[in-house]
Parts: sequence; C-alpha cells; structure tokens
Amino acid sequence: EVQLVESGGGLVQPGGSLRLSCAASGFTFSSYAMSWVRQAPGKGLEWVSAISSSGDNTYDADSVKGRFTISRDNSKKTLYLQMNSLRAEDTAVYYCTKGYRRFDPWGQGTLVTVSS
Amino acid sequence: AIQLTQSPSSLSASVGDRVTITCRASQGISSALAWYQQKPGKAPKLLIYDASSLESGVPSRFSGSGSGTDFTLTISSLQPEDFATYYCQQFNNFPLTFGGGTKVEI
Repeated sequence: EVQLVESGGGLVQPGGSLRLSCAASGFTFSSYAMSWVRQAPGKGLEWVSAISSSGDNTYDADSVKGRFTISRDNSKKTLYLQMNSLRAEDTAVYYCTKGYRRFDPWGQGTLVTVSS
Repeated sequence: AIQLTQSPSSLSASVGDRVTITCRASQGISSALAWYQQKPGKAPKLLIYDASSLESGVPSRFSGSGSGTDFTLTISSLQPEDFATYYCQQFNNFPLTFGGGTKVEI
C-alpha cells in the first residue's frame, strides 16, 4: 500500500523557519516526482513546490520562491520542504503528494501555523 | 500563470441527481487536467486525470470531458458519499494551478 506520512508542522513566529518531512512507502520512491500542496484554513488548494525523481529539477510557486526549498533523499525515501522567512499567509495544512502531472496519493497533511 | 475558473462555486443537489461542474482555463492546456474530491478534514482524492481517464477504484458514475480550455466533471447519479468539494488542476505548465473549488451540498 502506498503511504505518505508528513511530519514537522507546528507553531512558528513570523520570520521563522521550519522543515517538513514526508516519509514514503509502498512504491519505488526514487522513480517518481513529488510535490507539496497546501491549503489555508477554509480555503482552496495551492500547489507549492515539485521535484523531479532524481532531485535535479525543482519548481516553485511564485508565492514561496526564494523562501522555500524542496529536496529529497532517495536513500531514505523522504521528501523535505525547508521553509524560511515564514509569513502569516503561509499558515496552512501542507500535503505531500506523489507526482506532479497528477497528485496521487496524498499524505494526511501537517499543519503549519505562523503567528506571534 | 494559467488560471482555472470553476463554476458554480457551490451547488445544492439531491441523491440521484445528475451534477455537472465546469472548469475553464485561461489558455489552452490540451488534456492536461485532473479532478479531485475532498471531504472535510481529509486529503484530496484523485478522481480523473488527463481530462477524461477514470482513476482506478473510482466509481463509474464519475466522468470527465473536454480539452483545450473547457472541461467538465459529471456525476451521473449523485450518491450520499459524493457530497464534498471538487477541484480541477492543470499540469500543462508550471506553476501548477487549481481551480477555486465547487462545494456540492444537499
């Protein structure tokens, strides 16, 4: 069974940093691109970042460019999202998901709250 | 960035109704479109990819159509478990984008 489990969310002050992790199992992690998608409370879905299977290519939404960095460790079957210079508008549930042409499946999400 | 406009933003329907949701892209995206279902407090679930391909395990009452700029998601006979919010998503270009969502309510 394909499984994605996010961790690392929490409460952080504006301007702070946080690193999210996503542990993958049930599929050949190193063969698939991966993405992060977020959802602010009561709002719709917003794609954040994507990374190729090898990690050589990354893509970011304009809203996070220069502040967030997506990466992966294929030996550990883990996806990361390093989030710096966090803002109140980054408050959201962050989902890890397999692929970028279509997102399937999704993790359960981890909540990031940016507040003083 | 390609904008996706979903309509309606919400709708009321009854069990057994035929429901159609539309998604319009601000520029042509060929068939690079997916549809997701999200229930409260849960992660989204893939329903349709490549505009009209049904994801494995998804009931056949769900169908997708369209290409270019205009797309539809149809539920042929609404079931109680289908009350949820539906999103379209394009993967023709980065940045990847989602529609604003359509909430299907009783």
